[in-house]
Amino acid sequence: QVQLVQSGAEVKKPGASMKVSCKASGYTFSDYFIHWVRQARGQGLQWMGWINTNSGGPKYAQNFQGRVTMTRDTSISTAYLELSGLTSDDTAVYYCARDDGADPDNAFDIWGQGTMVTVSS
Amino acid sequence: DIQMTQSPSSLSASVGDRVTITCRASQYIGKYLAWYQQKPGKVPKLLIDATSTLQSGVPSRFSGSGYATDFTLTINSLQPEDVATYYCQKYGDAPWTFGRGTKVELK
Repeated sequence: QVQLVQSGAEVKKPGASMKVSCKASGYTFSDYFIHWVRQARGQGLQWMGWINTNSGGPKYAQNFQGRVTMTRDTSISTAYLELSGLTSDDTAVYYCARDDGADPDNAFDIWGQGTMVTVSS
Repeated sequence: DIQMTQSPSSLSASVGDRVTITCRASQYIGKYLAWYQQKPGKVPKLLIDATSTLQSGVPSRFSGSGYATDFTLTINSLQPEDVATYYCQKYGDAPWTFGRGTKVELK
């Protein structure tokens, strides 16, 4: 079945970097863009950006410009989210989600299970 | 950036009640509006996109309407399994923006 499976929980020190993976299966990975969304505990959903899984080109939300990097490896159908300069405000569940179309102008039809990232000294 | 304002932030209703959640965009977004359901501790689930297109498998008691800046999610005959937080989302171009959510509880 179509699914996105993310890497496991991480604990990071302030100032460190995180890297979360998102492995796709059940469909042609490069046919759909992947978005990243995060959710702090008890809070709403915050869009971080998308990656064109075909070309590898990203689009980042302004809030994260300069410290976010989205990449992909088509050989293993996996997208990656890297965030640097972590602070306690980055403690959240990070989700990858599939854009429901060939272009990045759709809602998100498939979501990963989420990866909890805790930033603590 | 376009802001999405959802109301109410929470509501309590009885089984069988009709529930209405509204979402207002700060600028025109046409029909580029989606609704998600997130149950406690679970992943968001797409219920409706393009304002009113129900996703496969979503019960028909859910419906969406609206256009331009004002949108509504309606749950006809609330069921216990509908207890969740509902988010609207503006999509189509960056940034994709979510409303703050509406928590639906049973009375």
